[in-house]
Amino acid sequence: DAGVTQSPTHLIKTRGQHVTLRCSPISGHKSVSWYQQVLGQGPQFIFQYYEKEERGRGNFPDRFSARQFPNYSSELNVNALLLGDSALYLCASSLRTVVNEKLFFGSGTQLSVL
Amino acid sequence: SQQGEEDPQALSIQEGENATMNCSYKTSINNLQWYRQNSGRGLVHLILIRSNEREKHSGRLRVTLDTSKKSSSLLITASRAADTASYFCATTGREYGNKLVFGAGTILRVKS
Repeated sequence: DAGVTQSPTHLIKTRGQHVTLRCSPISGHKSVSWYQQVLGQGPQFIFQYYEKEERGRGNFPDRFSARQFPNYSSELNVNALLLGDSALYLCASSLRTVVNEKLFFGSGTQLSVL
Repeated sequence: SQQGEEDPQALSIQEGENATMNCSYKTSINNLQWYRQNSGRGLVHLILIRSNEREKHSGRLRVTLDTSKKSSSLLITASRAADTASYFCATTGREYGNKLVFGAGTILRVKS
């Protein structure tokens, strides 16, 4: 079975641009979470979606948005990119909401903002 | 915000030795999980311990949880070069809206 897939794997953008990152969860998983990981730090929670509804939002500005589609895939959008948005963006899926579930992570999208 | 703090930040050992990493957290939890990350890519789940459990084993891994001290430890026995990675603890709890919150991680290097 395929794991969590993310696209693209690498992305270079300039300040002010917007970006869309995509994630396909493991088949049967209905929950998708997005994390941002800056070099040398642990992953920071951005969003969680379950059954196409937002179930959690981290401490990120409104420039960050996400959605989940009927097939449970998800997109993360970031507008008006800043240099500080350069990071590894990780998507994770789970069967249900996170409380007592383990997360299955994709390999991430490395975003560089110049 | 980060709920957990791992200690040490970095650890270097010889192959065959045991590696112990510690995690402290701040608020009450539902469970605590440990993840491994190789070369800054995706994280891999290692073990989950619930708040009412005190110890769990999985292969060469042993995790303990002390809720009175708000701390956990991960022991990797008979380490191998392939264990070289970053290790993160993560917790879920009502205070953080039941989302999984990660610590800053311990970098483990196993020398062969």
